[in-house]
Amino acid sequence: GEDVEQSLFLSVREGDSSVINCTYTDSSSTYLYWYKQEPGAGLQLLTYIFSNMDMKQDQRLTVLLNKKDKHLSLRIADTQTGDSAIYFCAESNDNNDMRFGAGTRLTVKP
Amino acid sequence: KAGVTQTPRYLIKTRGQQVTLSCSPISGHRSVSWYQQTPGQGLQFLFEYFSETQRNKGNFPGRFSGRQFSNSRSEMNVSTLELGDSALYLCASSVSSGKDTQYFGPGTRLTVL
Repeated sequence: GEDVEQSLFLSVREGDSSVINCTYTDSSSTYLYWYKQEPGAGLQLLTYIFSNMDMKQDQRLTVLLNKKDKHLSLRIADTQTGDSAIYFCAESNDNNDMRFGAGTRLTVKP
Repeated sequence: KAGVTQTPRYLIKTRGQQVTLSCSPISGHRSVSWYQQTPGQGLQFLFEYFSETQRNKGNFPGRFSGRQFSNSRSEMNVSTLELGDSALYLCASSVSSGKDTQYFGPGTRLTVL
């Protein structure tokens, strides 16, 4: 089946930039998403990008998409301790089938 | 606008019992999807309902079922609970289906003893 893969852990210092990477295999993906999950909570939609876009910026968040390589990244500028959470990459196609990566646990050290 | 709400937030059941979880989507959203999240399997799609009809179904046994009401609220039922059904069950709503972004509720944490 189609897969979405992410590295499981990332640790950064407060104030640094964080880059979380994701690869996917479904060439018919239409939307790609980044969700944040804090302990004990559901998923919070952070941002999404259409598959025909290369980049999307939203305040401290920058999403880069390399459709040829099926590679998606999320950059968080000036990372804060409140950004510590699990970040899920997800993709969907025209059938609204949604597939998630396993999540990357971001730890921000003071 | 109120977000997606799920009830109950926490549930403890024993093997063999059945359970019903409820999800109220964002007002105006007509599509509701259900997901199971476990440490071992991650997030897995269960099914999607739109206008009271099941549109998509994931690879789960028939013990897992759902329905959607005319007000777009949805319920998920699991019968004959097994220990492996212990998970966080997430509901997500979207305006319609297809390309719409899904917004998630806080989840119902089910523990099966």
